[in-house]
Formats: sequence, C-alpha cells, structure tokens
Amino acid sequence: EAEVAQSPRYKITEKSQAVAFWCDPISGHATLYWYRQILGQGPELLVQFQDESVVDDSQLPKDRFSAERLKGVDSTLKIQPAELGDSAMYLCASSPSSGGYNEQFFGPGTRLTVL
Amino acid sequence: AQRVTQPEKLLSVFKGAPVELKCNYSYSGSPELFWYVQYSRQRLQLLLRHISRESIKGFTADLNKGETSFHLKKPFAQEEDSAMYYCALSGSRLTFGEGTQLTVNP
Repeated sequence: EAEVAQSPRYKITEKSQAVAFWCDPISGHATLYWYRQILGQGPELLVQFQDESVVDDSQLPKDRFSAERLKGVDSTLKIQPAELGDSAMYLCASSPSSGGYNEQFFGPGTRLTVL
Repeated sequence: AQRVTQPEKLLSVFKGAPVELKCNYSYSGSPELFWYVQYSRQRLQLLLRHISRESIKGFTADLNKGETSFHLKKPFAQEEDSAMYYCALSGSRLTFGEGTQLTVNP
C-alpha cells in the first residue's frame, strides 16, 4: 500500500543552525501539505502545494521557513536559523486533489529538537 | 476564523462502556468535518467524515449545526480503541482540535 514517506524521522540541532526535512507524497497526489504539531496540540498547517505551486502559506513564518516542491512531486521544508521554539513534530500529508472533502494521508513525521 | 474545540484532553472508560468524544466548531460557512485518529506508534489517519454518514469501527459522528458540534460516539468501547482522536474542520484549510487521548481499560 502506498504511503507518504518522510526523512529524517528524528533531528536534533542547535539553535541558529539550518535544518531541512524531506517528504515524498503518494504517487499521483497533486496536493501536498506541511504541518507543525507542537506537543499537546493538534497539527497546524504551514504550507499547502497544488502541484508545484504554493496555494496557502499564510501560517508559514517566512523569515526563517521556506518550502519548495520544484517538480510537483517531492518537497523540502527548511528552517534557517532554527530557534528553540521550533521544536515540534513536522508532518507531511498528501491528497489526490485540494477539495475539502478529500482525505489527507499523513507521513510518520520528523521530530525536531532544537537545543 | 475557523476553530475546533475538544474540551477533554484525556478520557478514560472501561471496556464495553459507551464513549463520546466531544467536538465543537466555529465556522461561518458550511462545515466539512472529520475525525482523525492516531494509534500508538502509527501515523495519523482518517477515521470518518461527516459527509459519508458512515460507521467506521463502530464509531459514528453526527453533525449538529444548531449546536455546532460533531461528537464521536461508540456504544461499546474496545481496548483497541485506545488512541489519540482529533476532530478537524475543513474551511479555508484543515484545522485540527487539540485532540483527546482515549484510554479503554480492561
């Protein structure tokens, strides 16, 4: 069964360093999402792609976060520089299209710890 | 603005007892509501969506627009139902509640 892949699964870094996370969505899924989940809270959308285009990045802290999906397939989320408050689980999800009723399929997440 | 509230962070019941996980929402448009579940050491996955009006693993959820609620119910809880449950609203984006950790005791 096809699944969303993410790497790395765990990342420990020091503040002010750069970090990058990778996501490979389910083949054929046009829509890709990056979420941040702080411990004890629900996932919060950071950015949504439709193919290679950003359709919603209103919650993305653009001074330090960037995301790209150059060929409309896999995606990278980068943080530079990392801050202590960035410690969280970063989840990637994909869906066949952007329709609101569509199920989103989630990856296992990358747990980031900033020291 | 859209908002989802799950008032209980923790819920504990005994096997065979009924269970209800509460979800209230705030949204000015016509809501599309979901329940997602995360079992231990597994990824977040869809449990059910209101438009399907289906029962999954014995769980049902009814959208009550008057009370702006979408509570998740199961008449007889099983130990394998122990998990984290998230209510989610799809408006301009998918917005999750903070989740309810359900524990079903033997």
